Amino acid sequence: EDQVTQSPEALRLQEGESSSLNCSYTVSGLRGLFWYRQDPGKGPEFLFTLYSAGEEKEKERLKATLTKKESFLHITAPKPEDSATYLCAVKRDNTDKLIFGTGTRLQVFP
Amino acid sequence: EAGVTQFPSHSVIEKGQTVTLRCDPISGHDNLYWYRRVMGKEIKFLLHFVKESKQDESGMPNNRFLAERTGGTYSTLKVQPAELEDSGVYFCASSPAYNSPLHFGNGTRLTVT
Repeated sequence: EDQVTQSPEALRLQEGESSSLNCSYTVSGLRGLFWYRQDPGKGPEFLFTLYSAGEEKEKERLKATLTKKESFLHITAPKPEDSATYLCAVKRDNTDKLIFGTGTRLQVFP
Repeated sequence: EAGVTQFPSHSVIEKGQTVTLRCDPISGHDNLYWYRRVMGKEIKFLLHFVKESKQDESGMPNNRFLAERTGGTYSTLKVQPAELEDSGVYFCASSPAYNSPLHFGNGTRLTVT
């Protein structure tokens, strides 16, 4: 059965303290892995798509990487405005539906 | 560019009543999706429209849920009759093409009492 597991569930960081979020997945025929950011009361906002092992994408303080079993979202020198829930999702071959993890709730304190 | 719009933002109804949620996708987006998140769980897929046709409705929980997309524009999701376990946040998303990133609305929070 397709499954996405994110860890940790919650993460508290001091401003400037770099860290990584993990997304482990089990899916038959990965077509893409997606990272989203969600703020309270809002819908998920697209960040990155990764398609194959070894691929990396960067946006400002965020960098996403992908292996055959997991993805990492690295946050370098975070700021309080990076506080949000970060969601990981996968799509498998022959379908266009996203399978989400439960997310990591990140809080960055000044 | 206007984003995905959902209405209402909140709805509180009693068990057994009917509720209709509406979604207006980004103009020109042929693909429209419904997802929902129940308390403490992950966001789960409900169904996918391509224009006015249902491409995949494998996530619809039961026949109390009916989704339509009139003329390939806005979509409605009707729950009739509502049950307590239907409470959650219902998200709509749209995309311009197959396998394009999804643009999500802010969701409708449904509470069934």
